[in-house]
Amino acid sequence: DVKVTQSSRYLVKRTGEKVFLECVQDMDHENMFWYRQDPGLGLRLIYFSYDVKMKEKGDIPEGYSVSREKKERFSLILESASTNQTSMYLCASSLRDTSGNTIYFGEGSWLTVV
Amino acid sequence: AQSVTQLDSQVPVFEEAPVELRCNYSSSVSVYLFWYVQYPNQGLQLLLKYLSGSTLVKGINGFEAEFNKSQTSFHLRKPSVHISDTAEYFCAVRPYSSASKIIFGSGTRLSIRP
Repeated sequence: DVKVTQSSRYLVKRTGEKVFLECVQDMDHENMFWYRQDPGLGLRLIYFSYDVKMKEKGDIPEGYSVSREKKERFSLILESASTNQTSMYLCASSLRDTSGNTIYFGEGSWLTVV
Repeated sequence: AQSVTQLDSQVPVFEEAPVELRCNYSSSVSVYLFWYVQYPNQGLQLLLKYLSGSTLVKGINGFEAEFNKSQTSFHLRKPSVHISDTAEYFCAVRPYSSASKIIFGSGTRLSIRP
């Protein structure tokens, strides 16, 4: 089974702190994603990576950056956390080709910024 | 551009009753269609997907969905629900040509009453 592991399930950070959310997948997937999930808004794409060191902005990249130094690991960085970044963050991965491949999700990281 | 509308934010049903969760989409290009389920405090997992061929798609846990191109709908159904089906359900579409541009609906929370 594909496994996408998010290292932190619950975090509480202070406004202005730098926050790292880590994600690792074990299926050699080329594509990795970071989504933000808020009630009533569904999932919104923050960043997408299709290869090591390659990234694309999603729908809501402001206030976030990402790092992909190894194929299996995709990190989301909040340079200076703010209270409006309190949310559930979901990492996901999939194979590269565009033939309707399934996206596999991690269990999510609940971030509270106080 | 694509959009996905889940017409009901919450659906309460009694155990062993049938259920339909509605999803309509809008797209100027051909898309793949997906239903994902999110159990409490977990990430999303794939229920079923429509890529091509038969418009009736069967998924896990007894769920099925029917693709209706003329009505641009992809409604999810189950003939008899169980308490364990309590979850949030997300409809999603993805253009044939893109691995990253997956659009999720805002979700439907299914609550099962004994």
